[in-house]
This record gives sequence, structure tokens and C-alpha cells, in this order.
Amino acid sequence: DIQMTQSPPSLSASVGDRVTITCRASQNITTYLNWYQQKSGKAPKLLISAASNLQNGVPSRFGGSGSGTDFTLTISSLQPEDFATYYCQQSYTTPRTFGQGTKVEIK
Amino acid sequence: QVQLQESGPGLVKPSETLSLTCTVSGASVSSYYWTWIRQSAGKGLEWIGRIYVSGTTNYNPSLRSRVTMSMDTSKNHFSLKLSSMTAADTALYFCAREVTGDSRSFDYWGQGTLVTVSS
Repeated sequence: DIQMTQSPPSLSASVGDRVTITCRASQNITTYLNWYQQKSGKAPKLLISAASNLQNGVPSRFGGSGSGTDFTLTISSLQPEDFATYYCQQSYTTPRTFGQGTKVEIK
Repeated sequence: QVQLQESGPGLVKPSETLSLTCTVSGASVSSYYWTWIRQSAGKGLEWIGRIYVSGTTNYNPSLRSRVTMSMDTSKNHFSLKLSSMTAADTALYFCAREVTGDSRSFDYWGQGTLVTVSS
């Protein structure tokens, strides 16, 4: 299985901060990398597919980059509704696998 | 608008078989891959497997011996059976749609159903 490692596991930030979350794959996954946002008790929501494709309706403050094994999710100016847990997920091969999540909390 | 809704028992006894159904509206199960994913405190998000209308299935090797997925196109739903349940299978179970192609990803999810394994 391809292992997905996210860092940091959690972070505290203030409204307006720039936030960066990283995800590393245990092998080359080209750009088959997706990012999800999950709020407490809800299903994950797809934010970005194929490493950098912002989904319709997702605010432009969210951005994704990377290829191969190293990927980044950036929130350019954190908003109150962005406090949540973020997961990366590889779709290069089955079984599909997820990172362990990064919880973004209010400082 | 695409919507998915999981249904099934919230409580299962150890050694029994879990049966869940995901009913889809706003899209046909005759297209796309349809997926089961679970989330527990201990293992995070875990992909269980997926099914395509052709009957093609892909299962997580860690669960393959216990998993069966099926689809009923006439009812526009798909199902999961997980046998020999233990406490380690206690989790929030989601169904989701996987888009194919270069941007393959889980674009629509059900709200999830909590399954507890306990006698």
C-alpha cells in the first residue's frame, strides 16, 4: 500500500494567517493526489483533485501544488469557516489511502 | 444534485455480518465507481473497496477476505457486507462516488452511518 504522511498533525492559527499543510507519499504518485476538508461529524468534502485542481465552489484562497511524492495544501488567508481537519488521499492505485489528517485549530 | 444515503443497523454483534446499503439520487449507479470508506479513531479514513456497474470490484487487501460488494441498478443502490465483525470494525461508514480519469477523486459522499460492534 502507498503510505501518505501529513505534517503537521495539528496546528493553531489565527484568522488571516497563511497556512501550509504538507503530504508525502511513500512512492511516486505523479499528480494523483486529492485534498479533503472534514468538519466534526460530517463527511469529508473534496477541495482539490489532481494535486492542484480547485473544485467548483471552493474559495480561491485554497491552493494545491506538488507532484511525485511531495504535495502542499495552502490556505492563503485563513477564515473562521476553515477551522477543520484536512486530509490528503492518493488515487494513483488501489487500495486508495489517506493521510492521517491535519487539524487546524483557532489560536 | 447528487445525494448518497447510507442505511443499515447501527449495532452489530461480534462475529455477525454487517449489511449496509447506499441509495443514490441525482446520478445513476451505472456510471462511476461506487465506494465504501470507514473512519475510526484508531485508523483514520480507511478505503474498504469499490464496485463498478460491470460487477468489477476492488477490495482493500486488509479486508478482502471479509468484504462483499454488490449493486442493484434497478434500485439505484449498492451494498456492502462485512463478515466476522469485531470491535475493531466499529466506525463511521461512508459511501462515496469516485470520479474516474485524471482527476479521480471522491466527489460526493453520504453523511455516514455509525456502526458499533458490541454484544
